[in-house]
Amino acid sequence: DTEVTQTPKHLVMGMTNKKSLKCEQHMGHRAMYWYKQKAKKPPELMFVYSYEKLSINESVPSRFSPECPNSSLLNLHLHALQPEDSALYLCASSQALEGIYEQYFGPGTRLTVT
Amino acid sequence: GQNIDQPTEMTATEGAIVQINCTYQTSGFNGLFWYQQHAGEAPTFLSYNVLDGLEEKGRFSSFLSRSKGYSYLLLKELQMKDSASYLCAVTDSNYQLIWGAGTKLIIKP
Repeated sequence: DTEVTQTPKHLVMGMTNKKSLKCEQHMGHRAMYWYKQKAKKPPELMFVYSYEKLSINESVPSRFSPECPNSSLLNLHLHALQPEDSALYLCASSQALEGIYEQYFGPGTRLTVT
Repeated sequence: GQNIDQPTEMTATEGAIVQINCTYQTSGFNGLFWYQQHAGEAPTFLSYNVLDGLEEKGRFSSFLSRSKGYSYLLLKELQMKDSASYLCAVTDSNYQLIWGAGTKLIIKP
């Protein structure tokens, strides 16, 4: 199974809402990533978890809060977002953080903030 | 600083061959990846190069020259479904992926 799954596929939320994005992989990968991607731009790294611990936070605003409940799951909690946060949110996983390993991406959550 | 350059857009004909170039300047180098991304979808892994030379995978090949900071992705026997963006990404000394802006490839019949 080389699949990363993400739910929901689409999400529309108001600026006062609280919502969560979910990501799951069953490949035994120990590194998991959240990316944000705007149209016609490359993915922009937000957070990296390695062995369920937060390893990298790319100066992401606190209205985005990641969580890694176990080695297979990764959540991104959203609160008080701004319209400019509308984007495709991608989850990815790789065998490990250090080393030359390809990242497997989920299908993404298309987020619209109104 | 970290910099990866690739052409913004290329056009090619179905059945032909196209080469997408990528040049990079990064703090350290641990490998170079190529990903394909169709509009509105997630990137999918195509190939990676760690050592100089050519890696072949079916219709797709990728070349690396570390001394020149240069790579290319070669696509043969182009098909309409190859219309997509192709992203070059370099793993730096901290094993972080530094992404190029992507090359949008348009295939014409």
